[in-house]
Amino acid sequence: AQSVTQPDIHITVSEGASLELRCNYSYGATPYLFWYVQSPGQGLQLLLKYFSGDTLVQGIKGFEAEFKRSQSSFNLRKPSVHWSDAAEYFCAVAPANRDDKIIFGKGTRLHILP
Amino acid sequence: SQTIHQWPATLVQPVGSPLSLECTVEGTSNPNLYWYRQAAGRGLQLLFYSVGIGQISSEVPQNLSASRPQDRQFILSSKKLLLSDSGFYLCAWSVSSGEHYEQYFGPGTRLTVT
Repeated sequence: AQSVTQPDIHITVSEGASLELRCNYSYGATPYLFWYVQSPGQGLQLLLKYFSGDTLVQGIKGFEAEFKRSQSSFNLRKPSVHWSDAAEYFCAVAPANRDDKIIFGKGTRLHILP
Repeated sequence: SQTIHQWPATLVQPVGSPLSLECTVEGTSNPNLYWYRQAAGRGLQLLFYSVGIGQISSEVPQNLSASRPQDRQFILSSKKLLLSDSGFYLCAWSVSSGEHYEQYFGPGTRLTVT
């Protein structure tokens, strides 16, 4: 069965430090991959997406993610976090052939220390 | 540009009362529409999705229902609310064809059943 795993429920980093949020997926073929961010009490905002081509994807707010087929991973990174990055982050996967729906991970809550 | 609206933003309802949450999308035609529920620490649960007017698919058996009376309007309803219906309800849309079918989310409705 298709699945998305975000192994870290909570992550805490200091402001200015680098960040990596992990995402692993289980899918029969190369899927489409997404990262979303959700601030408290708000909807989800699309940070970036991977469909094909360059495996390093740039997104909004200084985030990037790298698709690694051999590891079935799509980790999100940012070189220097800001206090405003504190939020919950969701990884999502969808089939390239539109036969199924987007599957979301359970999320990673990011805490920023001043 | 496309925008998605949800109302109300917050709602407190007693057990056994009816529910109606509304979602509308502007700036696009024939979108796919989705209702999700988000409970604390449990990620996103897909409740319903629709690929066209009057076409509703249910993902989870429950006392909720959905309707799509117009192309860009999606309504979530219940005849009698349960305590377990409390949560954060998110509406989302995506384009219905082509390669780009990432989902875009509304601001959400916080429902508390008392």
